[in-house]
Amino acid sequence: EVQLVESGGGLVQPGGSLRLSCTASGITFSNYWMSWARQAPGKGLEWVADIEQNGEEKNYVDSAKGRFSISRDNAKNSLYLQMSSLRAEDTAVYYCATAHRIPNYDMLTGDYRPYWYFDLWGRGTPVIVSS
Amino acid sequence: DIQMTQSPSTLSASVGDRVTITCRASKSIKNYLNWYQQKPGRAPKLLLYATSTVEAGVPSRFSGSGSGTEFTLTISSLQVEDFATYYCQQSYSTPYSFGQGTNLDIQ
Repeated sequence: EVQLVESGGGLVQPGGSLRLSCTASGITFSNYWMSWARQAPGKGLEWVADIEQNGEEKNYVDSAKGRFSISRDNAKNSLYLQMSSLRAEDTAVYYCATAHRIPNYDMLTGDYRPYWYFDLWGRGTPVIVSS
Repeated sequence: DIQMTQSPSTLSASVGDRVTITCRASKSIKNYLNWYQQKPGRAPKLLLYATSTVEAGVPSRFSGSGSGTEFTLTISSLQVEDFATYYCQQSYSTPYSFGQGTNLDIQ
């Protein structure tokens, strides 16, 4: 079965740390960029970070820079999000997702900019930051 | 960073209605726009990418259009299973920001 399963969420005190995991099955994990997104209670979606297939290139939303670290282990079909210096505003359901890329070259401008979209999502793991 | 704004925030409609949701970007994103559907307690589901390409398995009543800074998602004839929250997302540049969502509920 094709699926992503997140784990590692829970209750943590402000300033604490937590490591989220996402395990993939039914896909060739090493072929995909992977992303983390989150959704605070009753709020909309927020993209958090992504990582290249070989783990070299990583991108983060500003609020995560310096506090969160995305990584992966292709041998274990697993994606991770190490979170530290957690704040109340980090409280959310955290989702992992496959980031599908379609190459796109604009011949008029010479600009190469791929299309990205997230087509396979896990069910999420909740993180609550509270004392 | 690019800000995405959806309108309306809430939309009440009936089965069989044609509905349109608008998404505006704070700067041009060409056609780098995705749409997702989310039901309570569930993960988002991809509907369309690159503005108008319908994801495999998504019913043909869903369509998208637009370019630059203004985009629309249209559902041609609402079905019961379409009542959900819809999000647009730009994939032009990181951070890949989402709109705040449009809650489509039954009138």
